[in-house]
Amino acid sequence: KAGVTQTPRYLIKTRGQQVTLSCSPISGHRSVSWYQQTPGQGLQFLFEYFSETQRNKGNFPGRFSGRQFSNSRSEMNVSTLELGDSALYLCASSLEGTGVRNTIYFGEGSWLTVV
Amino acid sequence: AQSVAQPEDQVNVAEGNPLTVKCTYSVSGNPYLFWYVQYPNRGLQFLLKYITGDNLVKGSYGFEAEFNKSQTSFHLKKPSALVSDSALYFCAVRDNNGGATNKLIFGTGTLLAVQP
Repeated sequence: KAGVTQTPRYLIKTRGQQVTLSCSPISGHRSVSWYQQTPGQGLQFLFEYFSETQRNKGNFPGRFSGRQFSNSRSEMNVSTLELGDSALYLCASSLEGTGVRNTIYFGEGSWLTVV
Repeated sequence: AQSVAQPEDQVNVAEGNPLTVKCTYSVSGNPYLFWYVQYPNRGLQFLLKYITGDNLVKGSYGFEAEFNKSQTSFHLKKPSALVSDSALYFCAVRDNNGGATNKLIFGTGTLLAVQP
């Protein structure tokens, strides 16, 4: 069974550009979450989607947005990139939306460098 | 507010010795706790979780964790460390404020260095 798949793995963008990152959850998982990991701030929650609806959102500016498609695949977008957006972006998926017993699995991440 | 603390930035241990990586938590309601490991330039790998039941939880790669409600701790342990265990370890708690969510709140991470 394939794990959480994130694309692209590495990318370099210029300040002011926008970027779209993609996440395919484990088959059957309908909950998808996104996290940003930086050396200074650690792991910070961006947002969570379940059944194509944003269920939870972290404390990030409106430049950060996401969506989930009917097949549970998710994308996140960052517009008007800033140098501080350079980070590892991690996607996580879980089997059900409300089961506290469910394990949350992470992908390998997308490394974004903004120059 | 819910939080997780990992008081040690780094833990050094000799190969073959037991290891402990510490985690304490602060939550309202029942705690749902996780440990993840991150190898260089990789994502997070799930090790184990505590939901309810036995206080000693067994996980992947020979790791286990002891849940202690009175001390609000969830320390990660392994009886005999391997050099290949060297990595960054994260403790996390599922956010149980605001209804249904799979949002995790992470600690700052502990770098485990196992010397041969």
